[in-house]
Amino acid sequence: DAKTTQPPSMDCAEGRAANLPCNHSTISGNEYVYWYRQIHSQGPQYIIHGLKNNETNEMASLIITEDRKSSTLILPHATLRDTAVYYCIVRAFSGAGSYQLTFGKGTKLSVIP
Amino acid sequence: DTGVSQDPRHKITKRGQNVTFRCDPISEHNRLYWYRQTLGQGPEFLTYFQNEAQLEKSRLLSDRFSAERPKGSFSTLEIQRTEQGDSAMYLCASSFTSGVSYEQYFGPGTRLTVT
Repeated sequence: DAKTTQPPSMDCAEGRAANLPCNHSTISGNEYVYWYRQIHSQGPQYIIHGLKNNETNEMASLIITEDRKSSTLILPHATLRDTAVYYCIVRAFSGAGSYQLTFGKGTKLSVIP
Repeated sequence: DTGVSQDPRHKITKRGQNVTFRCDPISEHNRLYWYRQTLGQGPEFLTYFQNEAQLEKSRLLSDRFSAERPKGSFSTLEIQRTEQGDSAMYLCASSFTSGVSYEQYFGPGTRLTVT
């Protein structure tokens, strides 16, 4: 799987949009971008994934650049409950290694009241 | 609650003892995964099952570790002769294989402390 680069930490004011960047410059054509988050002392939680088009669900939006070398996870109205470590993961949808998620250290997002 | 469950949530053991953890996946999920997470790090893949077959093991899974999924439902992870380096959170996840992408749903984890 391609490696990802994320800032180690970010702050966001409560009620504002949180924009979490991820660089995946070596991504291959068959690899998806996944985002998970992990609230303290809990298991990771799936947020969203995409291949090349922008995606939106009830939790967040995922913006992938046209060259697919980077992406941004957007939490439109951050709340204190969104304080967590956010992981950007690139994974092939088939073939060797496609079954596992390779986590980096993620971005620690702190939502400030 | 129909999510992934793990038991126990916390385990303290003395070095050299054996421990066993249990994971109950979401009922219709055919894939089950084990990960390990140490403090300040992201989870690391250990092994996964498709139904009852263990299809892949990470090199992190030393010969002191064994995992089973005897009937393709729940799974157990056993660590023999525990060492202090085994202290970590052990996470289980499950997924349903359908189409080209599938999300993994994680349990709350079992925190192991080896003294």
